[in-house]
Amino acid sequence: DIQMTQSPSSLSASVGDRVTITCRASQGIRNDLGWYQQKPGKAPKRLIYAASSLQSGVPSRFSGSGSGTEFTLTISSLQPEDFATYYCLQHNSYPLYTFGQGTKLEIK
Amino acid sequence: EVQLVESGGGLVQPGGSLRLSCAASGFTFSSYDMHWVRQATGKGLEWVSAIGTAGDTYYPGSVKGRFTISRENAKNSLYLQMNSLRAGDTAVYYCARVPGGYCSGGSCSSDYGMDVWGQGTTVTVSS
Repeated sequence: DIQMTQSPSSLSASVGDRVTITCRASQGIRNDLGWYQQKPGKAPKRLIYAASSLQSGVPSRFSGSGSGTEFTLTISSLQPEDFATYYCLQHNSYPLYTFGQGTKLEIK
Repeated sequence: EVQLVESGGGLVQPGGSLRLSCAASGFTFSSYDMHWVRQATGKGLEWVSAIGTAGDTYYPGSVKGRFTISRENAKNSLYLQMNSLRAGDTAVYYCARVPGGYCSGGSCSSDYGMDVWGQGTTVTVSS
């Protein structure tokens, strides 16, 4: 089974900060990874697909990079609405999927 | 508007059964793989099951043999039959759509991520 290790598990930052979240795969997964944002009481929303492609309608301050085993989600300038929990999801082992453990982004 | 709406959650005793439904609208349901994902309170997301367009089904070890995913394309509906429920199955259950391989405007591509999610339905297993 492919394991996804996401870090950090929590992060405090201020509006305007640049933040980076990382996911590491236990084996190479090409670019078969997406990033999701989840706010309390809501369903996850996809931000990035194929590791670096921006989902339609998602602000350009979100970006993804990486391939193989290491991936990053970057928010270039945090906005108040960005405080949420973020998850990576690998689908290289389709149809057996694995999520990262999540990163809770909180206001400093 | 593309939409997924789950229903069927509730309180059930350990060892009991429950059937969740997911009603799809705004897209050609039969052309998409569909998945169930769950989230226990305060915890992360866990993939629960998948069904392909041909009806092929997949499960992780944690639910294999207890849960059954199915679809009824004529009704644009996805289901999850959950048997032998345990306290550890208590969670919000989401259905999600996966585009898979597709062709548009003369070009073909693939997207195996979960691009649309429902709002979730809550399952509580407790005596």
